Amino acid sequence: QVHLVESGGGVVQPGRSLRLSCAASGFTFGSYAMHWVRQAPGKGLEWVAVVSYDGMNENYAVSLKGRFTISRDNSKNTLHLQMVSLRAEDTAVYYCARENAYGEVEKWFDPWGQGTLVTVSS
Amino acid sequence: QSVLTQSPSASGTPGQRVTISCSGSSSNIGSNTVNWYQQLPGTAPKLLIYSNNQRPSGVPDRFSGSKSGTSTSLAISGLQSEDEADYYCAAWDVSLNGWVFGGGTKLTVL
Repeated sequence: QVHLVESGGGVVQPGRSLRLSCAASGFTFGSYAMHWVRQAPGKGLEWVAVVSYDGMNENYAVSLKGRFTISRDNSKNTLHLQMVSLRAEDTAVYYCARENAYGEVEKWFDPWGQGTLVTVSS
Repeated sequence: QSVLTQSPSASGTPGQRVTISCSGSSSNIGSNTVNWYQQLPGTAPKLLIYSNNQRPSGVPDRFSGSKSGTSTSLAISGLQSEDEADYYCAAWDVSLNGWVFGGGTKLTVL
């Protein structure tokens, strides 16, 4: 059974850093691109970043580039999100999701993890 | 403000047919396929429709998706109480070089 489990969330002060992890199981992790998507309390979904199956390519939401870094360790079936200079507006549930694709154009996220809550507050 | 535009709310009674719309532009919906996600209260999003109109295994055929130009819609027929959830459309945006979501539509079953 395909499973994604996020960890690493918590309460952090503004300006500090935090590293999230996503443990994957039930599929060949190194064959899939992976994403982070976040959801602020009571708000909608916001795409954060993607990393290619081999970790060689990354892409970020424009508003986050420079502060967030996505990475993966295929030997450990784990996805990471390093966040620095955290702000109150980064408070959200952070989900990891697997990218499925049919060709180059048809892509979708499935499954999603259960999410990990990051609260940025002094 | 979300790049894709959805009505904030929709409602219907059990058994009814409800349609949720999502509009975008030529840089997203107009040039790429659209996916729909269902988020039940207090849970993670779940894939509902992919590639405009494809249902993953396990999703009832009461759910259907369609796309025309820069707009897309999700139809739910035979509405059930367990369909009460938030629904999000999503597409790749070639101008932003990233994924964009609609703001979400909260469906209430009366």
